[in-house]
Amino acid sequence: DGGITQSPKYLFRKEGQNVTLSCEQNLNHDAMYWYRQDPGQGLRLIYYSQIVNDFQKGDIAEGYSVSREKKESFPLTVTSAQKNPTAFYLCASKRQGLSNQPQHFGDGTRLSIL
Amino acid sequence: GQQLNQSPQSMFIQEGEDVSMNCTSSSIFNTWLWYKQDPGEGPVLLIALYKAGELTSNGRLTAQFGITRKDSFLNISASIPSDVGIYFCAGCYNNNDMRFGAGTRLTVKP
Repeated sequence: DGGITQSPKYLFRKEGQNVTLSCEQNLNHDAMYWYRQDPGQGLRLIYYSQIVNDFQKGDIAEGYSVSREKKESFPLTVTSAQKNPTAFYLCASKRQGLSNQPQHFGDGTRLSIL
Repeated sequence: GQQLNQSPQSMFIQEGEDVSMNCTSSSIFNTWLWYKQDPGEGPVLLIALYKAGELTSNGRLTAQFGITRKDSFLNISASIPSDVGIYFCAGCYNNNDMRFGAGTRLTVKP
């Protein structure tokens, strides 16, 4: 089945700890995105990547880091510098093209503080 | 960046009723998208609109891209219990700039 797989579904972080959220897609999409979702708010963009080995900061990149070593994979690290990491994190991907192709989402990872 | 105002914030309706929600912006967009999110899952694309004035249906769902390119609405006809969820609008100006509304939470009473 083609799709976007995020893991784990639930993650707990201790104070001062870095944690990494996984996002893998087998849709052969060029672009990948990470969003943060807080209750009652729209999705806010953390980082995005249009091609391998390149990525750009979104609106709320502070306290997060990413890598894009393979087309299929775009892991997000929530560092200890992110003081309020509790949220639902969504990964998305899409084809790049002349028109605005829609983004398709994974099922999310819920991160909580221990 | 561009801000999207989505309304209403929440709706409580009876099964069988029609539903209407909308998004407005102070800036123009080239694409409008509507997504539905079930609890604990990622948003799923319902309808994509690419041209000002475009009216598109997907089953009981109908969405329109406003003529001014600054707004869009989504209608759901004859609601059923599985329509429950959060509906998000999203506007795209260029390939990597997509903005989301805050969502409309829909509750359908049987």
